[in-house]
Amino acid sequence: GAVVSQHPSRVICKSGTSVKIECRSLDFQATTMFWYRQFPKQSLMLMATSNEGSKATYEQGVEKDKFLINHASLTLSTLTVTSAHPEDSSFYICSAIVNRGGLGGETQYFGPGTRLLVL
Amino acid sequence: AQSVTQLGSHVSVSEGALVLLRCNYSSSVPPYLFWYVQYPNQGLQLLLKYTTGATLVKGINGFEAEFKKSETSFHLTKPSAHMSDAAEYFCAVGDTNAGKSTFGDGTTLTVKP
Repeated sequence: GAVVSQHPSRVICKSGTSVKIECRSLDFQATTMFWYRQFPKQSLMLMATSNEGSKATYEQGVEKDKFLINHASLTLSTLTVTSAHPEDSSFYICSAIVNRGGLGGETQYFGPGTRLLVL
Repeated sequence: AQSVTQLGSHVSVSEGALVLLRCNYSSSVPPYLFWYVQYPNQGLQLLLKYTTGATLVKGINGFEAEFKKSETSFHLTKPSAHMSDAAEYFCAVGDTNAGKSTFGDGTTLTVKP
């Protein structure tokens, strides 16, 4: 099956610093990736849609200048949390879409997540 | 607009007992429905999905779900729970096979020995 990786799996940073999270599709090319945020014991909230070679599309209420998304290649999307604050602490999960053709060709695969703790 | 309601944030069953996790959805277009499982500190793994066709969908690990349009439900079942089934389960609805989905709040399944 398709594999999506995230790096780092866990990061602790000081308030005011920026943190970059990578999302890679390991054995397929993904023109579209999604970034989600999950608070403890809560559901996933879609933050943005990352499209290769174009600007990301942000969901309502998500600050695009704070959560910078770059989808520079068909296998890599990055999320940079700029000037992080304690309230940005969360579990960030990416997903990638693969289309293998045939019936129900598109499938969404999720990364293992990145836990961010801002002190 | 789409929404998902998972009835029961916590479900506890004994090992070997039936697992039933409830999901109701709302969608203005024909829905695509998904069930995912999440283990602690991990991403989501797709259990099964309904797109079109047969309303009873079989997934991995012995799980299955039935799409009932009249009840706007997509409940997840497994005949016999195993200790390894203990996890968080999310129901989701989308308007395509992949891509943007709206997730329910999740149900924590506990399996007692």
